[in-house]
Formats: sequence, C-alpha cells, structure tokens
Amino acid sequence: QSALTQPASVSGSPGQSITISCSGTSSDIDDYKYVSWYQQHPGKAPRLIIYDVTNRPSEVSTRFSGSQSGNTASLTISGLQADDEADYYCSSYTDSTAWVFGGGTKLTVL
Amino acid sequence: EVPLVESGGGLVQPGGSLRLSCAASGFTFSSYWMHWVRQAPGKGLEWVSCIKSDGSTIYADSVKGRFTISRDNAKNTLFLQMSSLRAEDTAVYYCARDKYYHLDVWGEGTTVTVSS
Repeated sequence: QSALTQPASVSGSPGQSITISCSGTSSDIDDYKYVSWYQQHPGKAPRLIIYDVTNRPSEVSTRFSGSQSGNTASLTISGLQADDEADYYCSSYTDSTAWVFGGGTKLTVL
Repeated sequence: EVPLVESGGGLVQPGGSLRLSCAASGFTFSSYWMHWVRQAPGKGLEWVSCIKSDGSTIYADSVKGRFTISRDNAKNTLFLQMSSLRAEDTAVYYCARDKYYHLDVWGEGTTVTVSS
C-alpha cells in the first residue's frame, strides 16, 4: 500500500489562500470519491476537516474546501489564520479494500 | 465525555506482545466500522487495520499476520492485539470511528515503544 503524494511543506501569510495537493493513482483517488483530509496540531490527535472530496463537517470553518481533478485531490485554505498552522494529511479508500494516507504537509503561517 | 479513549500502550521488548484497548462512548458502537491508525515519532499517519460492524477485518501489509483487531460490542470496546513486535512498530496508536470511508472521531492515542 503506497502512500499518496503530498508536498512536504507549504507556507502563506495571514489572510492569503494556500492549496495542498494530494496525488494518487487510478486505483485510489480517481476510482473512488472517498478522499478525506485531516488537520493535526503538534501533540494532538488528527481532526477530520474534509470528507468525500468536497464535504465539510458542520463544525469546520468554511475557509476549508476540497476539490479533485483526475488522480489529484486538493485542499484549499482561504483567509489564512495563525491557528491554521498544522500538519495536513489526505487519505483515500483504495480498490484493494484498504485505506492509505498521504505523507503529510506542514503548513507554516508566516 | 470523550467518545474514544485508548489504553494499553507501554514499553515492550522486540518480539514481545501488547494489547491495546479503545473504550467507546456516546454512540452506537456496534453500528460503526472502527480503525487503528498509528504515527511513528516525527512521521506521518499510517493506517493499520479496520474491523467492520459484521466483524470482518482488514490489515495493512506491514502488520498482517502479527496484529489482530477485534471488538466487544457488549462492552463498547475495540482491541488491537500486537505480537512479534518490532522497533518499527514504535508509534502513537489512535483508534478512530469510520463514517463511510472517512474517520470522523479520533481518540487521543496511546504510545507503544518497542525497545530492548
């Protein structure tokens, strides 16, 4: 089970928008619509922020949005805030009936 | 009330065994698929195993044959029996609830250290 590919790090200034990509294959992201995104602050458990590619839990800010094009899913955070500084992970259900995570992206708010 | 609370982590020697538990509360445990996900020190998340509501199980290749996931619906508890432990199994182990292929509730994690 190979991991999905994410950039190691991204950065942005407060108020700006950033996008984190998550590249898979036709066996995972493209075949299924079960891409999810998780936010993890240091020393804390992961928190679901996007599911089924574009859906957002009710308690998650509308500044977070998800999209997909072919084998690549993306997470966009608009209006960056200091508290957005965290690690972000994508995940997908695969055709081998297993789940796989991306390697994670560290977001730095400058 | 915290929905998921893991326990059972600790220090174990290579080749040893350990059983993790995850106590669930506040939802109908028996109706949900449940997962274990781990995170090695300074590393990313790694999916470990899933048990469906019907009791069927799935494992990552890295733990297949060594780890066993199980559940006790009467006690609202998820388990992970780990054997033949290796240094590379050292990680924080999280249990998480599956809500149709995404993990919507996570525990705080329990730390497993495999070292002599």
